[in-house]
Amino acid sequence: LAKTTQPISMDSYEGQEVNITCSHNNIATNDYITWYQQFPSQGPRFIIQGYKTKVTNEVASLFIPADRKSSTLSLPRVSLSDTAVYYCLVGDRDRGSTLGRLYFGRGTQLTVWP
Amino acid sequence: DAGVTQSPTHLIKTRGQHVTLRCSPISGHKSVSWYQQVLGQGPQFIFQYYEKEERGRGNFPDRFSARQFPNYSSELNVNALLLGDSALYLCASSLIKGPSSYNEQFFGPGTRLTVL
Repeated sequence: LAKTTQPISMDSYEGQEVNITCSHNNIATNDYITWYQQFPSQGPRFIIQGYKTKVTNEVASLFIPADRKSSTLSLPRVSLSDTAVYYCLVGDRDRGSTLGRLYFGRGTQLTVWP
Repeated sequence: DAGVTQSPTHLIKTRGQHVTLRCSPISGHKSVSWYQQVLGQGPQFIFQYYEKEERGRGNFPDRFSARQFPNYSSELNVNALLLGDSALYLCASSLIKGPSSYNEQFFGPGTRLTVL
């Protein structure tokens, strides 16, 4: 499994765009990149997943360069309620990671200030 | 529809005791996974069950066991509790749509276990 590296913490202010970058130098050809969000005393929640280029949904965008050795989660115009831990996960969608075996790192603690 | 439910929400035990945690998946989901989350760390995979069979096991001692019932609910059992077992225990369920589709994990609120 490819190891991921994220900043331990980030700070932002309400209304700003936040970009959290994840490094995954050993990503394999079949690996997808997935981001989860976790609030205190709650289970993680799926945010977005991608394989290459750019993916956008109603809450975030995911940018993946051509070499796929890193990815950036972009949260537009954050609010106080976006304060949470964000996890970057890399895994083969056709193998273990599809069958409920997710491997989390320590994640990035994002704190949004008023 | 109800999400993943877990019981109890909080639990206090003493060293050496046994504990059983319960999980009910989202209706229609046949896969249940268990994770342990120690304070300040990401969740660590313990077990995965699919169609009542164990499909994966993380790096946890044999004191940890689990099972899945015909209605796809699941129990996690931990014997001979240690102080280090204090953690948030998360259950996640998944639909398992197919090998080329992302099988999103839906997590429950967790059970907070404190071992004294």
